[in-house]
Parts: sequence; C-alpha cells; structure tokens
Amino acid sequence: SQQGEEDPQALSIQEGENATMNCSYKTSINNLQWYRQNSGRGLVHLILIRSNEREKHSGRLRVTLDTSKKSSSLLITASRAADTASYFCATIQGAQKLVFGQGTRLTINP
Amino acid sequence: SQTIHQWPATLVQPVGSPLSLECTVEGTSNPNLYWYRQAAGRGLQLLFYSVGIGQISSEVPQNLSASRPQDRQFILSSKKLLLSDSGFYLCAWSTGGTQAKNIQYFGAGTRLSVL
Repeated sequence: SQQGEEDPQALSIQEGENATMNCSYKTSINNLQWYRQNSGRGLVHLILIRSNEREKHSGRLRVTLDTSKKSSSLLITASRAADTASYFCATIQGAQKLVFGQGTRLTINP
Repeated sequence: SQTIHQWPATLVQPVGSPLSLECTVEGTSNPNLYWYRQAAGRGLQLLFYSVGIGQISSEVPQNLSASRPQDRQFILSSKKLLLSDSGFYLCAWSTGGTQAKNIQYFGAGTRLSVL
C-alpha cells in the first residue's frame, strides 16, 4: 500500500510564486524523502529529512516534518519554469524498501 | 561516480511475447536494486528488490520475474506479456546495508507498450 499521500494532486502557479506540496504518511518513520520526476524520466532525489529534524533547507527547497501529525511539506520558493515536474514523498518500509506517494504534478506558467 | 544504465528506452511488444529489460550499475558494489512500474500519472509500484546476487524479493504477484545474475545487474523478465504489463518501468539502486538511508538513484526508465 502507498504510505505517503501527496496533496494537492496537481498544482499550477505563475513563475516566481512559491509552490507548497504536502505529504501525509501512516506509520512511524526514520526519515522522509522527496523526489522529483520530469515527464518521462526517472526520479531524482531532492532532499531527506530525518525524524528528529523539523525543517531542512536546500537551495530554493524547504522541507518541514511534523511527526505528531505524520505530515511533511515541500516548499519551492521563487519557482521557475524548470521546476515543472511531479514531486513524490517517500518513506522507508522495512529495512530496504521505499514507499512512494502518488505525487503532485506541478506546472509553472511563464 | 556511480551511474545506472537502463535499456531500452522504449519498447513495443505484442501480447504473448517475452520480455527482458536490463539494468546495470557502475561505480559501486553490493548495491540494493529495485524494479518499479509506474502507470500514467500515478506513483511508483515496487515490483522486485534485491539485496544481493540471486536474492530476489517479489512485492506483487504477477506475470513478471526478476533475476540478479551479477552484483550490479538486474533483469526484469516475462515469458508471455499481457496488455496489463504496459507501463513505465524504472530501475533504481541504493547503498546496501541496514544502516543505509536508502536514498534511491533511478535509471531513465523504459516505456513498454504491449499491443
């Protein structure tokens, strides 16, 4: 079953605006990851946040984690056309498996 | 640096024909290897994963099988394709070991159309 569920399923914003995507999960985690997928391509790892962290930054990306609510958010600031992609959260299930959500399709309009 | 190769990029196969998709990793040893399938506009479904040569774990019973004949080679196969096997297939690797963060690195994917 899918552990992470992203919200919204699709998001369309103007270039320069900020984009926020949310992820909810069901079980306890050691860490949560965010990936990006350009259309027709493989996924690319963006950022990992550990369960004892509340916020993490990487360039224009900001990830928050609220383990009490079992939720995470990904914020992309000052969006660019190149940020158009699908974004997935993923959590570890067992020792070796990642479970991915259904993803948020982000479209940045010029 | 590590690289992952997956081929072919696209494949059109008739129903009932066999399938073999190959994935190889360079620049690392004893990786964990994964096969996923992705339906259009959907998330990833884990099909198989392997923590070592000859060790295959199947996640979803179906028409597919996987093999790992060498440390850095992972093969997805089918004896007879079904229409429902159409999709986007992704191979990935991660650092082996139980203490790993399990950050996964993906190949470019194979788009399979079964007609």
